[in-house]
Amino acid sequence: ELKVEQNPLFLSMQEGKNYTIYCNYSTTSDRLYWYRQDPGKSLESLFVLLSNGAVKQEGRLMASLDTKARLSTLHITAAVHDLSATYFCAVDMGTSGSRLTFGEGTQLTVNP
Amino acid sequence: EAQVTQNPRYLITVTGKKLTVTCSQNMNHEYMSWYRQDPGLGLRQIYYSMNVEVTDKGDVPEGYKVSRKEKRNFPLILESPSPNQTSLYFCASSLQGSFSPLHFGNGTRLTVT
Repeated sequence: ELKVEQNPLFLSMQEGKNYTIYCNYSTTSDRLYWYRQDPGKSLESLFVLLSNGAVKQEGRLMASLDTKARLSTLHITAAVHDLSATYFCAVDMGTSGSRLTFGEGTQLTVNP
Repeated sequence: EAQVTQNPRYLITVTGKKLTVTCSQNMNHEYMSWYRQDPGLGLRQIYYSMNVEVTDKGDVPEGYKVSRKEKRNFPLILESPSPNQTSLYFCASSLQGSFSPLHFGNGTRLTVT
């Protein structure tokens, strides 16, 4: 059974600081997704990582995938309040995104 | 506008009273799926469908049914709801075979008393 674990589950940080969210998974996969969820809202896609060593960046967020270590990271650079949300990683064990297993989510709060 | 539409957004019901949550997408996606979200557990897959008339169980299918008679619709049926099915439900869709990310609906918050 695939297990996906995120660390930390809760993160409170100051604006302007850097931090990394970790996503570990238990079974070999080279397909990993990151999503963002604002309070009371749906999930929106941030990044799709489809191979070992993949790195994607969008604004202050950068995601990477190390399939050998079964680890993905979501790095936040110079955090701003608008990044406050819950971030989920999800690992795909099925056919082209059909069997996503989600982590527990990391609730990020960026304080002014 | 490309979207996944779920109805209703909020639903309070009693144990044992059959209910259906509808999901419709206008993007001509082959793949559709239902998830439930519970605090501390992330999202767990209930059922998914790779195309019309093709459905399969996810990780937590007990107590749920689905059907896929048309490409755009994927209703979730609870024949005899129980309190442990109180949760936030999301429908999602994507293009089959593309590894594209899921498009999520706005969610249905279900309370079973």
